[in-house]
Amino acid sequence: RKEVEQDPGPFNVPEGATVAFNCTYSNSASQSFFWYRQDCRKEPKLLMSVYSSGNEDGRFTAQLNRASQYISLLIRDSKLSDSATYLCVVKGSSASKIIFGSGTRLSIRP
Amino acid sequence: NAGVTQTPKFQVLKTGQSMTLQCAQDMNHNSMYWYRQDPGMGLRLIYYSASEGTTDKGEVPNGYNVSRLNKREFSLRLESAAPSQTSVYFCASTVGSGNTEAFFGQGTRLTVV
Repeated sequence: RKEVEQDPGPFNVPEGATVAFNCTYSNSASQSFFWYRQDCRKEPKLLMSVYSSGNEDGRFTAQLNRASQYISLLIRDSKLSDSATYLCVVKGSSASKIIFGSGTRLSIRP
Repeated sequence: NAGVTQTPKFQVLKTGQSMTLQCAQDMNHNSMYWYRQDPGMGLRLIYYSASEGTTDKGEVPNGYNVSRLNKREFSLRLESAAPSQTSVYFCASTVGSGNTEAFFGQGTRLTVV
């Protein structure tokens, strides 16, 4: 079983829609959680960290449920520019090990 | 403002050839990583170095070796390249501890024929 699992999608939604991605992780000792965004043929870049209390950054909301070992990302009022692959990232129990999920591909249509 | 620099950006190898991918960061980060990404897949961790002088296996270490040359540099070596190692390779670095962002190089596109 992979340490970090994501719904691979693809998600194809109209502009203005709300879309949610989910991610589960297997190691209960994991310490830090992130969502990264990756555009086609580019390197991943940090979208947002995920905190236990949940956090919001503009149209993006991230949630963490440690009991269920579950992370989510909600995108409201989606824009064409949100089209990308979204990667769930978990910092493991051992010092500095960082594991990526396989990514969820999102396409926003006009 | 270089950040993480990888060389080369593109490489074609013949089966059985060897090569070293270079990575350097100028952010004084403690931890460095090598990942591979295959088409339609996420990143899989090959090796990482939590701090200068240490290296550890990741999810897919077979066929690779690494060297943490100093705090700035972390190289990945393919001793005998195989077609299954055709992939995009990313190097990354972080401060190391805590909830800190990983910064990535632009990737090396490697094809083994």
